[in-house]
Amino acid sequence: GENVEQHPSTLSVQEGDSAVIKCTYSDSASNYFPWYKQELGKGPQLIIDIRSNVGEKKDQRIAVTLNKTAKHFSLHITETQPEDSAVYFCAAYNFNKFYFGSGTKLNVKP
Amino acid sequence: DAGVIQSPRHEVTEMGQEVTLRCKPISGHDYLFWYRQTMMRGLELLIYFNNNVPIDDSGMPEDRFSAKMPNASFSTLKIQPSEPRDSAVYFCASGNGADTQYFGPGTRLTVL
Repeated sequence: GENVEQHPSTLSVQEGDSAVIKCTYSDSASNYFPWYKQELGKGPQLIIDIRSNVGEKKDQRIAVTLNKTAKHFSLHITETQPEDSAVYFCAAYNFNKFYFGSGTKLNVKP
Repeated sequence: DAGVIQSPRHEVTEMGQEVTLRCKPISGHDYLFWYRQTMMRGLELLIYFNNNVPIDDSGMPEDRFSAKMPNASFSTLKIQPSEPRDSAVYFCASGNGADTQYFGPGTRLTVL
């Protein structure tokens, strides 16, 4: 089965700085890579995603890059704000299943 | 749309009791997923349905767990008998395709 590794487990940045979270996956059949943001007491919410035929996707302050050869993908948040503080999960999708990373707790200090 | 609705939001029960968690998916979605989240194991897929039919239940930890989807607007996850190690947050998610998921707010289960 698929194995998704995510790092770092915690990340602390100053407001306005950039944050980068990285994930690797093991199964080359994985073809869809969403990122979720989970705030305290809530369910994960999709914030951005990328499919295997695309190398980069951007949505305002967030962007995701995918390197299929190396089997890794990354989330980039620019101009971080305190409301970006949350736990972020990456996932890889194949054969109708999602495989999640272990999560990154992002703390944005004002 | 109100999103995925789960009830109860919190459940505290004693070991050995039956627990039933409920989920109302987003209208029109044909996939429904049940997940369990713990600090130790992260997010684990328990089971998913397509058009009310269970497709893959390989993540269900043991026979004490069962899930049903009697119609397109309702699903239950039952634990009988419950054990302390079942304590976790249980999420339901629905999607209009196997590769989409919208999560509910979760049910925090505590088994004493």
